[in-house]
Formats: sequence, structure tokens, C-alpha cells
Amino acid sequence: QVQLVQSGAEVKKPGASVMVSCKASGYTVTDNYVHWVRQAPGQGLEWMGWINPKSGVANHAQRFQGRVAMIRDTSINTVYMELNSLKSDDTAVYYCARDRTTTEHPYFYAGMDVWGQGTTVAVSS
Amino acid sequence: QSVLTQPPSASGTPGQRVTISCSGSNSNIGTNYVYWYQQLPGTAPKLLIFRNNQRPSGVPDRFSGSKSGTSASLAISGLRSEDEAEYYCGVWDDSLSGFVVFGGGTKLTVL
Repeated sequence: QVQLVQSGAEVKKPGASVMVSCKASGYTVTDNYVHWVRQAPGQGLEWMGWINPKSGVANHAQRFQGRVAMIRDTSINTVYMELNSLKSDDTAVYYCARDRTTTEHPYFYAGMDVWGQGTTVAVSS
Repeated sequence: QSVLTQPPSASGTPGQRVTISCSGSNSNIGTNYVYWYQQLPGTAPKLLIFRNNQRPSGVPDRFSGSKSGTSASLAISGLRSEDEAEYYCGVWDDSLSGFVVFGGGTKLTVL
């Protein structure tokens, strides 16, 4: 079945970087845009950006500009999100999610229909 | 504070109909489709409604969505205990260079 499987939990110190992977199965990751969304403990959903896995082009939320990178390795059907200069308030569950929009089209938000299971990132000294 | 406003909580008894509102502005709900997500405790969100009022396959027709102007609503009829979850609206916002915005979430309790 179609699913996104994410890498395991991470514990990082302030100032460090973290990379979370998101491997697609049941479909080809280059077929659809992929978002990254995070959720701090007890809080709501926060959009971080999307990547077009076919072209590699990404669009990041303004508050993460310069601190986040979204990349892909199409040979293993996987996308990655790297967040740098971690702070304690980056502690959250990070999700990847497939957009219903296919990469044949310019980006248009059409809803996130497949989600990864989430990766907990804890930032603590 | 989110760009989209949802009530923090809602409740109902089994069999009842409940609605959850999502209020935005011209740059988001006023010009773009609204999406609704259900998040059961300890799990990833699930797409419940797309394009204002469409249900993905497998979502019961007890769930329905609507939109008017800069507001949208999710209605759940025939409430069941398994509907107890957090519900989020999500929309594209055209301001700045464009971004996805979520409501703050509504915790639905089935009494």
C-alpha cells in the first residue's frame, strides 16, 4: 500500500543539525509534491515547506528560511528534511506528507493525503 | 496565534451532530480550497475533507464540509466514540510568497 516511512527519533543539542528521512513505498516519490509539517508537544500543526521530488525545487515557510533544507534521493525513493541551528523550541514531531498534486503540474495545494508516522526530535542541552 | 481561527474544543453525545468552524480571511479561505484533517491521539493526521466538501475514499459520509466567504465548517453527524480526536482546517494562503496555514485545532470530545 502507499505509505511514507520516516526515520527514527533523534536527540540533539542546541546548535546542532538534524536530518529526517521519509521513504515512499507503493508509489514513486517523484510523482507528487511532499510537505514537511511539525507539531510541538501539545500544540497544533505547523507547515515547514514543500519539495518537488522530481525537480528538487523546494519552497520553505518564511520562518525557516536559511535554516532548513529539503532534498531528495530519487534512487531510493526518499526525501529528506534537514534543520540547522537547532533550538529548544524546535522540539517537535516532524511529519512528511504527500500532496495530492502531481509534479506534472505547477504547485497547487490540494491537501495532504498520505502522512509519515512522524519523527520525534528532542533538542536539549 | 494561527491565521485560521478554530474553537479549541467541541463536544457532543453519541448520535448527535456537531460542527466545527474555521474562520480566515480573503487571502486564504476567501480564495482557496479548505481541507480538514483528523488526528487521533498519538497518530499522524489523516485527510478527511478536500476541496471544501469532497471526501477521500474510505471516509464515511457522516463527515461533510462547507465553505462560505472567509469561513468554513466541518460537520459530523451520527457522532461515534471513535470520532473523538483533534480536527484541523488547512488552507493555502496567498500572502507573502504563499504558504500552507493550519487552524489551531479543535479537540472533539464524545461525552
